[in-house]
Amino acid sequence: AQTVTQSQPEMSVQEAETVTLSCTYDTSESDYYLFWYKQPPSRQMILVIRQEAYKQQNATENRFSVNFQKAAKSFSLKISDSQLGDAAMYFCAYRSGYNNNDMRFGAGTRLTVKP
Amino acid sequence: ETGVTQTPRHLVMGMTNKKSLKCEQHLGHNAMYWYKQSAKKPLELMFVYNFKEQTENNSVPSRFSPECPNSSHLFLHLHTLQPEDSALYLCASSQDEGAPETQYFGPGTRLLVL
Repeated sequence: AQTVTQSQPEMSVQEAETVTLSCTYDTSESDYYLFWYKQPPSRQMILVIRQEAYKQQNATENRFSVNFQKAAKSFSLKISDSQLGDAAMYFCAYRSGYNNNDMRFGAGTRLTVKP
Repeated sequence: ETGVTQTPRHLVMGMTNKKSLKCEQHLGHNAMYWYKQSAKKPLELMFVYNFKEQTENNSVPSRFSPECPNSSHLFLHLHTLQPEDSALYLCASSQDEGAPETQYFGPGTRLLVL
């Protein structure tokens, strides 16, 4: 079974600084997709960034980038130039490339941004 | 917002009540999902519908009954729930054509079972 582990229940970062959120996953599959979702307080969960396992290049989306280490089964999220609006719960998610119905989430990391 | 709406946003019900949660997506997607989000636990996928056909039921108790009348609407019918069913219920949709695509989430219904 695929599991997703986020080992940091809470993280904090100073505004304008950089923070890295950790995620590891366990799978025996070779085709899969990884996601980072953001859930601000009382607001909808939205996609931050997505990575296809077959792509070696790390995905980037403006201030957000990932460090995808396939052999280590690690998928960390780096937020650069942190802003107050980045404060949220961040969820790492795994989706099987063989079974679209197999979607698993980590327990989340609560990120606080200090002004 | 994301194009996925859910009603009601908050619901309080007794264990003998029957209620329904509604989800609507305005994105033209072909797949819809129900998730349960409990405090300090990972999101749990409950049900999946592809092209209105249920394709997944992750051992969800029968007191939860999904319905997908068309590709834009998804319901979750609730009856004789337990207090441990109190949680945030999230609906999501995606356009899956071969490779899995990004899921778009609704705001959720916060359910309290007394």
